[in-house]
Amino acid sequence: AQSVTQLGSHVSVSEGALVLLRCNYSSSVPPYLFWYVQYPNQGLQLLLKYTTGATLVKGINGFEAEFKKSETSFHLTKPSAHMSDAAEYFCAVSNPNTGGFKTIFGAGTRLFVKA
Amino acid sequence: DTEVTQTPKHLVMGMTNKKSLKCEQHMGHRAMYWYKQKAKKPPELMFVYSYEKLSINESVPSRFSPECPNSSLLNLHLHALQPEDSALYLCASSQLTVDYGYTFGSGTRLTVV
Repeated sequence: AQSVTQLGSHVSVSEGALVLLRCNYSSSVPPYLFWYVQYPNQGLQLLLKYTTGATLVKGINGFEAEFKKSETSFHLTKPSAHMSDAAEYFCAVSNPNTGGFKTIFGAGTRLFVKA
Repeated sequence: DTEVTQTPKHLVMGMTNKKSLKCEQHMGHRAMYWYKQKAKKPPELMFVYSYEKLSINESVPSRFSPECPNSSLLNLHLHALQPEDSALYLCASSQLTVDYGYTFGSGTRLTVV
């Protein structure tokens, strides 16, 4: 079975500061990993993904994440936070061997950005 | 077209009503999904269609009835819902290999009174 744990339900940073959102996963096979962002009253938008290959992946809006197999982690970072980054962020995992249709989402981390 | 369109955006229905949610995509994705999201919670998978056939039903109560009339459309028929079914209902689509991730619609906010 697969699972995702997001450390910290709320993270608060100042504008211009580093953003770090933590995600650890559990999977019996090499997983597909995703980060999604959700703004209020909106659907989820894909930020970035890791499937195979380079372990440092870059996404939209200046975000990046690094797949670390030894630590079973896929933390999301952004060097400098903007007010517009305030949103809910979900880490997600799926199993490519079973078609990947059952994507499991973490509980989410609410990012607050202070002026 | 890179969007998933959901209608209506908001729906209020009584417990004896019958209503339907609609989802449409024109990206050529052959997998489509219904998710339910309660406030401050992650999305929960309800149904998955691949090649217009139901492939996953996550033990969803029969008062929710999905339908996939063609490769671009996905419906969710609602009947005799309970107040606890009030939530944001999200439709998503993906390629069959899912390695490109999902494209989500903006959802239908459902309130059952």
